[in-house]
Amino acid sequence: AQSVTQPDIHITVSEGASLELRCNYSYGATPYLFWYVQSPGQGLQLLLKYFSGDTLVQGIKGFEAEFKRSQSSFNLRKPSVHWSDAAEYFCAVAGGGNEKLTFGTGTRLTIIP
Amino acid sequence: KAGVTQTPRYLIKTRGQQVTLSCSPISGHRSVSWYQQTPGQGLQFLFEYFSETQRNKGNFPGRFSGRQFSNSRSEMNVSTLELGDSALYLCASSLGPAGAQETQYFGPGTRLLVL
Repeated sequence: AQSVTQPDIHITVSEGASLELRCNYSYGATPYLFWYVQSPGQGLQLLLKYFSGDTLVQGIKGFEAEFKRSQSSFNLRKPSVHWSDAAEYFCAVAGGGNEKLTFGTGTRLTIIP
Repeated sequence: KAGVTQTPRYLIKTRGQQVTLSCSPISGHRSVSWYQQTPGQGLQFLFEYFSETQRNKGNFPGRFSGRQFSNSRSEMNVSTLELGDSALYLCASSLGPAGAQETQYFGPGTRLLVL
């Protein structure tokens, strides 16, 4: 069965600093990978997705993620965070014919001035 | 284009009651998926409907059911509510059957509190 691990429950970074959120997946074949963001009281918004091809994926709001098959990882990065990036971030995987999204437990991002 | 809408946004029920939640997908979208989000279990898939047929189902008891209408609007029903059903229920829609290459667009959710 497919699974996703987000090892960091909570991360705090200073505004303007760089950010990396970790995501490791377990899946037998090539997975389809997603990052979603959830602001307080809101639904989930898709930041980016990886299906195939270039392993570095660009998303909205200045985010990018890199698929590393050898490490079973799909880490999310941003070179300089803004206060408005404070939210909860979810990594998800799909594939294998089941096709439902399996989410990680999320990483809550706090931005300090 | 309007996004995914869910009604009501907030709901308080007591144990043993039943509840119906509604989801209107983005215009033209034919797939609706439901998820339950709790602090303890995170985001868990409930079921997906496409063209009025349940296409996929998660590991939830039979108290959780759903349906989809010809206009793609979907309802989710939970009978005999338990305290553990308190959660944020999220609905997502996509153009085609939910799958790896279909982007799912989420609504704001319905927050259910069971007392």
